[in-house]
Amino acid sequence: QTVVTQEPSFSVSPGGTVTLTCGLSSGSVSTTHYPSWYQQTPGQAPRTLIYTTDIRSSGVPGRFSGSILGNKAALTITGAQADDDSNYYCVLYLGRGIRVFGGGTKLTVL
Amino acid sequence: EVQLLESGGGLAQPGGSLRLSCAASGFTFSNYAMSWVRQAPGKGLEWVSSSSGGDTYYADSVKGRFTISRDNSKNTLFLQMNSLRAEDTAVYYCAKDPYSGWSSYFDYWGQGTLVTVSS
Repeated sequence: QTVVTQEPSFSVSPGGTVTLTCGLSSGSVSTTHYPSWYQQTPGQAPRTLIYTTDIRSSGVPGRFSGSILGNKAALTITGAQADDDSNYYCVLYLGRGIRVFGGGTKLTVL
Repeated sequence: EVQLLESGGGLAQPGGSLRLSCAASGFTFSNYAMSWVRQAPGKGLEWVSSSSGGDTYYADSVKGRFTISRDNSKNTLFLQMNSLRAEDTAVYYCAKDPYSGWSSYFDYWGQGTLVTVSS
């Protein structure tokens, strides 16, 4: 069974830069997995941030960017703000209509 | 404005059934694939099922127990959940896909409906 891996937690100082990653238990992540990223605060619905590796969803601030770094997908927040304190999830497309979420990263901004 | 409103959640007994609905507005429903995503209490998100064109897809954890369907005349997505287990307890989100066929991501989300499976 394919597992999508994310760091369980990360912290960043206000104004700092942080990169969250999204990997596969076996193999490398590439653009053919069409990685996407979602932000969720407790009690709220998810919000789509990035899709197809590096395309920002409408209304998403420019401090959020997506990429492939080595063998993983990456979400970089440049100039973190207090309201970026959230949970972040990646999704990888595995083909045949199957999408798999990563376990999520709890980002603390302090 | 895209709006997705889930309903039908509640308490069900193990082995029982529930039917969730998602009323969509603000877009041409029949032109887009739709999905269900769930989140167990205190846990992460899990893709459950998608309906795209005439095709349906399911996560292994629900295959054979859950059925996704849609009524394009009523702009409504459904999830029939049978043989419910305690581990199906979760908030179930309805999500819109960006295309009519298979999609790699979700572009809009509902607010979710809570399903609790317990005796």
